[in-house]
Amino acid sequence: RKEVEQDPGPFNVPEGATVAFNCTYSNSASQSFFWYRQDCRKEPKLLMSVYSSGNEDGRFTAQLNRASQYISLLIRDSKLSDSATYLCVVNMGTGRRALTFGSGTRLQVQP
Amino acid sequence: NAGVTQTPKFRVLKTGQSMTLLCAQDMNHEYMYWYRQDPGMGLRLIHYSVGEGTTAKGEVPDGYNVSRLKKQNFLLGLESAAPSQTSVYFCASESPQVNTEAFFGQGTRLTVV
Repeated sequence: RKEVEQDPGPFNVPEGATVAFNCTYSNSASQSFFWYRQDCRKEPKLLMSVYSSGNEDGRFTAQLNRASQYISLLIRDSKLSDSATYLCVVNMGTGRRALTFGSGTRLQVQP
Repeated sequence: NAGVTQTPKFRVLKTGQSMTLLCAQDMNHEYMYWYRQDPGMGLRLIHYSVGEGTTAKGEVPDGYNVSRLKKQNFLLGLESAAPSQTSVYFCASESPQVNTEAFFGQGTRLTVV
């Protein structure tokens, strides 16, 4: 079993749609959780951190469920510019600080 | 603000050749990482460093060596390149605090023929 699992997609949605991604992680001791965005042939960039209380940044909402060991990302009112790969990232908290990446979920927003 | 800079950005190697990828960061970060990214597999950790003079193996260290002689630089070496090392390599750095952002370089596209 992968340490961080995501549905690879692609998710093809029309502009204005709401889309949600889920991610599961295997290590219950994981400490920090993030969503990164990666555009084609570019480096990953932080989209948002995920806190236990959930957090929202404009059209983006991230939530964490520690009991079920999953995190989610909700994108409302999708824009063409949201087309990218979204990476679920977990700090496994095993005594070394190295981020473990999911393989990414590809989103394609269509006009 | 340069952030994290990787050199070179592109390289083609012949099997058996050696090369060094350089990562430099100007944010005074303690932690630095080398990842490789292959289609459908996400980013996998090769080696990492939690401070100057220290390095450790990650998930896929075989065929690579690293050095962190200076805090701002993290070098990744391929002693004898193999076609299986064809990949996109990303360097990243972050500070030790919890919930901080990791910053990535722009990547190095390496092809081994």
